Amino acid sequence: EADIYQTPRYLVIGTGKKITLECSQTMGHDKMYWYQQDPGMELHLIHYSYGVNSTEKGDLSSESTVSRIRTEHFPLTLESARPSHTSQYLCASTNQGTDTQYFGPGTRLTVL
Amino acid sequence: GENVEQHPSTLSVQEGDSAVIKCTYSDSASNYFPWYKQELGKRPQLIIDIRSNVGEKKDQRIAVTLNKTAKHFSLHITETQPEDSAVYFCAASIEGNTPLVFGKGTRLSVIA
Repeated sequence: EADIYQTPRYLVIGTGKKITLECSQTMGHDKMYWYQQDPGMELHLIHYSYGVNSTEKGDLSSESTVSRIRTEHFPLTLESARPSHTSQYLCASTNQGTDTQYFGPGTRLTVL
Repeated sequence: GENVEQHPSTLSVQEGDSAVIKCTYSDSASNYFPWYKQELGKRPQLIIDIRSNVGEKKDQRIAVTLNKTAKHFSLHITETQPEDSAVYFCAASIEGNTPLVFGKGTRLSVIA
Protein backbone atom coordinates (compact mmCIF):
# COMPACT_ATOMS: atom_id res chain seq x y z
CA GLU A 1 0.00 0.00 0.00
CA ALA A 2 1.32 3.45 -0.92
CA ASP A 3 2.10 5.32 2.27
CA ILE A 4 4.69 7.19 4.30
CA TYR A 5 6.65 5.17 6.84
CA GLN A 6 8.63 6.46 9.78
CA THR A 7 10.98 4.54 12.06
CA PRO A 8 11.39 4.30 14.91
CA ARG A 9 7.92 5.24 16.18
CA TYR A 10 9.22 5.86 19.70
CA LEU A 11 12.75 6.61 20.87
CA VAL A 12 14.25 7.43 24.25
CA ILE A 13 17.90 8.47 24.26
CA GLY A 14 20.43 10.29 26.41
CA THR A 15 21.75 13.80 25.91
CA GLY A 16 24.58 14.09 23.42
CA LYS A 17 23.68 11.04 21.36
CA LYS A 18 23.56 11.17 17.57
CA ILE A 19 20.35 9.83 16.09
CA THR A 20 18.78 9.41 12.68
CA LEU A 21 15.03 9.37 12.15
CA GLU A 22 14.00 7.48 9.05
CA CYS A 23 11.27 8.44 6.58
CA SER A 24 10.34 6.59 3.43
CA GLN A 25 7.41 7.02 1.07
CA THR A 26 6.14 4.66 -1.58
CA MET A 27 3.87 7.16 -3.31
CA GLY A 28 6.44 8.33 -5.84
CA HIS A 29 6.31 11.88 -4.49
CA ASP A 30 9.02 14.36 -5.37
CA LYS A 31 8.76 16.69 -2.40
CA MET A 32 9.33 15.70 1.23
CA TYR A 33 9.21 17.59 4.53
CA TRP A 34 10.12 17.27 8.19
CA TYR A 35 8.06 18.94 10.92
CA GLN A 36 8.52 19.16 14.67
CA GLN A 37 5.31 19.16 16.70
CA ASP A 38 4.58 18.98 20.38
CA PRO A 39 1.37 16.90 20.64
CA GLY A 40 -1.60 18.84 19.29
CA MET A 41 0.40 22.02 19.00
CA GLU A 42 1.85 24.11 16.18
CA LEU A 43 3.64 22.43 13.26
CA HIS A 44 7.19 23.74 12.79
CA LEU A 45 8.85 23.11 9.42
CA ILE A 46 12.42 21.90 9.98
CA HIS A 47 13.67 20.89 6.53
CA TYR A 48 12.27 20.17 3.10
CA SER A 49 13.38 18.77 -0.22
CA TYR A 50 11.99 19.24 -3.70
CA GLY A 51 13.95 16.35 -5.18
CA VAL A 52 17.11 14.27 -5.09
CA ASN A 53 20.16 16.25 -3.90
CA SER A 54 17.95 19.23 -3.05
CA THR A 55 17.43 20.26 0.58
CA GLU A 56 16.31 23.49 2.24
CA LYS A 57 16.07 24.68 5.83
CA GLY A 58 12.73 25.59 7.27
CA ASP A 59 11.89 27.98 10.06
CA LEU A 60 13.21 25.66 12.74
CA SER A 61 16.37 23.81 11.72
CA SER A 62 16.84 22.65 15.30
CA GLU A 63 20.51 21.72 14.80
CA SER A 64 19.55 18.87 12.52
CA THR A 65 20.57 17.83 9.03
CA VAL A 66 18.85 15.95 6.22
CA SER A 67 19.86 14.20 3.04
CA ARG A 68 17.99 13.21 -0.12
CA ILE A 69 19.99 10.63 -2.02
CA ARG A 70 16.96 8.64 -3.15
CA THR A 71 13.53 9.97 -4.08
CA GLU A 72 11.73 7.78 -1.58
CA HIS A 73 14.03 8.31 1.40
CA PHE A 74 14.50 11.47 3.53
CA PRO A 75 16.32 10.82 6.83
CA LEU A 76 16.70 13.44 9.56
CA THR A 77 19.82 13.42 11.76
CA LEU A 78 20.35 15.09 15.13
CA GLU A 79 24.10 15.32 15.68
CA SER A 80 23.87 15.86 19.43
CA ALA A 81 20.47 15.39 21.02
CA ARG A 82 19.35 17.70 23.83
CA PRO A 83 16.30 17.64 26.12
CA SER A 84 14.89 20.57 24.09
CA HIS A 85 14.65 18.18 21.12
CA THR A 86 12.02 16.14 22.96
CA SER A 87 9.03 16.28 20.66
CA GLN A 88 7.19 14.49 17.87
CA TYR A 89 8.75 14.53 14.41
CA LEU A 90 6.45 14.21 11.42
CA CYS A 91 7.53 13.47 7.88
CA ALA A 92 5.33 14.47 4.93
CA SER A 93 5.39 14.32 1.15
CA THR A 94 3.65 15.84 -1.86
CA ASN A 95 3.75 15.34 -5.58
CA GLN A 96 5.32 17.85 -7.96
CA GLY A 97 2.96 20.69 -8.84
CA THR A 98 0.67 20.26 -5.86
CA ASP A 99 0.90 21.02 -2.16
CA THR A 100 -1.52 18.33 -1.00
CA GLN A 101 0.61 16.93 1.80
CA TYR A 102 0.39 13.44 3.26
CA PHE A 103 1.89 12.89 6.69
CA GLY A 104 3.66 9.91 8.16
CA PRO A 105 2.69 8.49 11.59
CA GLY A 106 5.48 10.35 13.37
CA THR A 107 8.41 9.54 15.66
CA ARG A 108 8.02 10.46 19.29
CA LEU A 109 11.47 11.37 20.63
CA THR A 110 12.40 11.77 24.28
CA VAL A 111 15.85 13.04 25.20
CA LEU A 112 16.81 12.52 28.83
CA GLY B 1 7.08 35.50 3.61
CA GLU B 2 3.62 34.13 4.24
CA ASN B 3 2.02 34.41 7.68
CA VAL B 4 -1.15 32.55 8.62
CA GLU B 5 -3.23 33.51 11.65
CA GLN B 6 -5.88 31.10 12.94
CA HIS B 7 -8.75 31.76 15.35
CA PRO B 8 -10.00 30.68 17.76
CA SER B 9 -7.32 28.57 19.43
CA THR B 10 -9.98 26.56 21.26
CA LEU B 11 -13.65 26.02 20.46
CA SER B 12 -16.32 24.09 22.31
CA VAL B 13 -19.70 23.38 20.74
CA GLN B 14 -22.70 21.26 21.59
CA GLU B 15 -23.27 18.20 19.48
CA GLY B 16 -25.41 19.13 16.48
CA ASP B 17 -24.32 22.78 16.45
CA SER B 18 -22.08 24.33 13.81
CA ALA B 19 -18.42 25.19 14.23
CA VAL B 20 -16.51 27.87 12.34
CA ILE B 21 -12.74 28.32 12.30
CA LYS B 22 -11.19 31.32 10.59
CA CYS B 23 -7.77 31.95 9.08
CA THR B 24 -6.14 34.99 7.54
CA TYR B 25 -3.07 35.03 5.32
CA SER B 26 -0.67 37.78 4.37
CA ASP B 27 0.69 36.91 0.92
CA SER B 28 -1.75 37.84 -1.82
CA ALA B 29 0.09 35.44 -4.18
CA SER B 30 -1.01 32.41 -2.11
CA ASN B 31 -3.45 30.28 -4.07
CA TYR B 32 -3.82 27.00 -2.19
CA PHE B 33 -5.60 26.64 1.17
CA PRO B 34 -5.94 23.19 2.78
CA TRP B 35 -7.43 22.20 6.11
CA TYR B 36 -6.03 19.33 8.17
CA LYS B 37 -7.62 17.44 11.05
CA GLN B 38 -5.43 15.85 13.71
CA GLU B 39 -7.04 13.48 16.17
CA LEU B 40 -5.32 12.75 19.45
CA GLY B 41 -2.19 10.67 18.91
CA LYS B 42 -2.62 10.53 15.13
CA ARG B 43 -1.10 12.20 12.08
CA PRO B 44 -2.68 15.29 10.47
CA GLN B 45 -5.02 14.33 7.64
CA LEU B 46 -6.32 16.52 4.84
CA ILE B 47 -10.07 17.01 5.11
CA ILE B 48 -10.74 19.66 2.48
CA ASP B 49 -8.84 22.18 0.38
CA ILE B 50 -9.66 25.11 -1.85
CA ARG B 51 -7.82 26.89 -4.59
CA SER B 52 -8.08 30.58 -5.34
CA ASN B 53 -10.13 30.11 -8.49
CA VAL B 54 -13.22 29.21 -6.41
CA GLY B 55 -14.93 30.89 -3.49
CA GLU B 56 -16.51 27.91 -1.76
CA LYS B 57 -16.22 24.14 -1.62
CA LYS B 58 -18.37 21.59 0.21
CA ASP B 59 -17.95 17.98 1.17
CA GLN B 60 -20.89 16.62 3.15
CA ARG B 61 -20.85 18.40 6.54
CA ILE B 62 -17.66 20.32 5.82
CA ALA B 63 -17.31 23.49 3.77
CA VAL B 64 -14.54 26.00 3.17
CA THR B 65 -15.01 29.57 1.99
CA LEU B 66 -12.35 31.87 0.59
CA ASN B 67 -12.35 35.66 0.38
CA LYS B 68 -9.31 36.63 -1.70
CA THR B 69 -9.91 40.35 -1.32
CA ALA B 70 -9.87 40.18 2.44
CA LYS B 71 -7.29 37.38 2.45
CA HIS B 72 -9.19 35.09 4.73
CA PHE B 73 -10.69 31.64 4.55
CA SER B 74 -12.90 29.68 6.90
CA LEU B 75 -13.81 26.10 7.74
CA HIS B 76 -17.45 25.37 8.50
CA ILE B 77 -18.57 22.13 10.12
CA THR B 78 -22.32 21.59 10.39
CA GLU B 79 -24.20 19.11 12.58
CA THR B 80 -21.10 18.47 14.66
CA GLN B 81 -20.53 15.03 16.15
CA PRO B 82 -18.21 13.88 18.97
CA GLU B 83 -15.87 12.36 16.39
CA ASP B 84 -15.27 15.85 15.00
CA SER B 85 -13.33 16.61 18.20
CA ALA B 86 -9.73 17.19 17.12
CA VAL B 87 -7.16 19.88 16.38
CA TYR B 88 -7.74 21.58 13.04
CA PHE B 89 -4.98 23.35 11.09
CA CYS B 90 -5.34 25.73 8.19
CA ALA B 91 -2.49 26.39 5.79
CA ALA B 92 -1.60 28.48 2.76
CA SER B 93 0.93 28.32 -0.04
CA ILE B 94 1.76 29.34 -3.57
CA GLU B 95 1.03 25.90 -4.90
CA GLY B 96 4.03 24.11 -6.31
CA ASN B 97 6.40 26.92 -5.34
CA THR B 98 6.46 27.38 -1.57
CA PRO B 99 6.00 25.04 1.39
CA LEU B 100 2.72 25.16 3.23
CA VAL B 101 2.58 27.70 6.04
CA PHE B 102 0.35 26.41 8.82
CA GLY B 103 -1.79 28.25 11.33
CA LYS B 104 -1.27 27.42 14.98
CA GLY B 105 -4.29 25.17 15.19
CA THR B 106 -7.76 25.15 16.75
CA ARG B 107 -8.71 22.57 19.33
CA LEU B 108 -12.37 21.71 18.73
CA SER B 109 -14.35 19.91 21.40
CA VAL B 110 -17.82 18.63 20.58
CA ILE B 111 -19.80 18.06 23.74
CA ALA B 112 -22.39 15.30 23.65
